[in-house]
Parts: sequence; structure tokens; C-alpha cells
Amino acid sequence: DIVLTQSPATLSLSPGERANLSCRTSQTISSSYFAWYQQKPGQPPRLLMYGAFNRATGIPDRFSGSGSRTDFTLTINSLEPEDCAVYFCQQYGFSPYTFGQGTKVEI
Amino acid sequence: QGQLVQSGAEVKKPGASVKVSCKASGYTFTNYGIDWVRQAPGQGLEWMGWISTYKGDTKVAQKLQGRVTMTRDTSTDTAYLEVRSLRPDDTAVYYCARDAEGFDPWGQGTLVTVSS
Repeated sequence: DIVLTQSPATLSLSPGERANLSCRTSQTISSSYFAWYQQKPGQPPRLLMYGAFNRATGIPDRFSGSGSRTDFTLTINSLEPEDCAVYFCQQYGFSPYTFGQGTKVEI
Repeated sequence: QGQLVQSGAEVKKPGASVKVSCKASGYTFTNYGIDWVRQAPGQGLEWMGWISTYKGDTKVAQKLQGRVTMTRDTSTDTAYLEVRSLRPDDTAVYYCARDAEGFDPWGQGTLVTVSS
């Protein structure tokens, strides 16, 4: 199985700052099958990015994705209080599809 | 767009079975597969498997094979997840999600509690 390792586990920042969330995969994957999700307490995950750098419908442009092969990054520019959440990365190119363990963003 | 609405919370005893439903609306059901993902309390996301809503083919995570069945009813645009021989560590919120580019949208989740 492909293991996804996210860092840091927790990120504490102030409003207006930039957040960089990292996700490393245990083997090379196609960026076409890589996604980021945001999950707030008591809610299901919400798709943020698919294909590594494509924003899902309705996602603000302060969210951006980058990376390739084994290293991927989610950047949140100009953090807002509503961005407080846990962020998960996922690969959906190889079965079993796998998720990272999550990065908690505190603001 | 589209929406997935799941059935309500369940409490089961160890050894029992549970069947969770996921009703789709707002899009053509058979154009997209459905994935099932679970999340134990305070934990991360675990992919359980996928069903082709068009053909009914399934892929189930190896650790769950033999205990999990995924089906769908195209007459009602509903997908189903059945988990048998429930154990306490199956306690989790179970989600369905449309398999598009990424998983989107997700159902609201169904809490399944396994306790004696």
C-alpha cells in the first residue's frame, strides 16, 4: 500500500499568514490522482484540490496545490479564521486508495 | 453538483451486521462510482472500497474482504454498504462519496457504534 505522510501534525498561525502543508508518498504517484481535503469538526471532508493543483468548485483562490512524484504541498495564502480545520491528502491512483494522517491548522 | 444522503445512526452488538444506504440526487447516478470511507473517533480516514454504479463491480480493501459487501440499486439511485461480523473497532462514522476527480461530494456520514 502507498503510505502518505503529512507534516507538520499541527500548524499554529495567525490570520493573514501563509500555511504550507506537506504530504509525502512512499512511492511515485501521478499528480493526476492526488487530492487534498478539508475537514471541520462534525462535518464530512470537503474536496479542496484534485489532480494536485486543480481547485474544486467553490474553493477560494487562496488555496493552491503543487508538487509531483512523491512530494506535494497545499498552500493557504492569507489565512482566515474559517480555515481552522484538519487537512488530509489522498492518492487515488493505486488501490487501495490511501489518505495521510492529517494536519491540523490552528489560527 | 449533486448530493449524497445517508441513512441514520446505528447501534449494533458485536457479531451483528449493519447496512448503510447512500442516496444520490442531482446527477446521473450511473455516471460515477461510489467510494466508502470510514473514520474511527478522533482518527483519520480509511478507504473501504468502491463500487461501479454502472456495472456493479467492486473493489474492497484487503483487510475488509470477506466482511464487507457493496451493492447498488439503479432504480432508486442508492448505494449500500454492508459490514458483517461487527467488532468494537468497527465503531466509526461511515461516509459515501462520489468518485469523480477526487471524492466529491461526500454524504453527511453515518455513525455506527458497536458495543455490547
